[in-house]
Amino acid sequence: GQQLNQSPQSMFIQEGEDVSMNCTSSSIFNTWLWYKQDPGEGPVLLIALYKAGELTSNGRLTAQFGITRKDSFLNISASIPSDVGIYFCAGHLQGGSEKLVFGKGTKLTVNP
Amino acid sequence: DTGVSQDPRHKITKRGQNVTFRCDPISEHNRLYWYRQTLGQGPEFLTYFQNEAQLEKSRLLSDRFSAERPKGSFSTLEIQRTEQGDSAMYLCASSPTPYYEQYFGPGTRLTVT
Repeated sequence: GQQLNQSPQSMFIQEGEDVSMNCTSSSIFNTWLWYKQDPGEGPVLLIALYKAGELTSNGRLTAQFGITRKDSFLNISASIPSDVGIYFCAGHLQGGSEKLVFGKGTKLTVNP
Repeated sequence: DTGVSQDPRHKITKRGQNVTFRCDPISEHNRLYWYRQTLGQGPEFLTYFQNEAQLEKSRLLSDRFSAERPKGSFSTLEIQRTEQGDSAMYLCASSPTPYYEQYFGPGTRLTVT
């Protein structure tokens, strides 16, 4: 089953607002990856994190690898309509295989 | 620069039929992964290859499922005697090294009627 708790499940915001979502786990992760998925398409990689405490930005997106290695957050600043989609966190479990473990996703709706 | 490609994008089949999907990874990537995604869920791991060697299979991969990567390039995923529960999006991803970023293809949407 899923080992990542992703929240919130859904968000409805106005264009221009900032957004924050996070993933938590009772297990330790060695990597954290954030993906965006549009309907009928595969996930697209947004940000990759490899070290505890690491803070990485990609344009209006910022993500952090939690110090405990059990959590990560993604922030989106000044949202725009094309930010609509489902955002997934994923990671490699410590001591685990090469497979990615995914959260259930956060569905983002942006009202213009 | 070509990303991961998958074919077909959509497949509708009747229960009991066999289906085969193809994935072409990014050319220099030796790792290839298969995931399955159902509505409202994140992708779930099925299996992965390092070059032509299949190194891990999930318990989700029943005896009706088989995957190959014969020359270490493209991969195929076959489902025999399809069941309605097999309806899902089948995603392929590739990576140049282990425990690293995985890049996904557009997926194959399977509908079993």
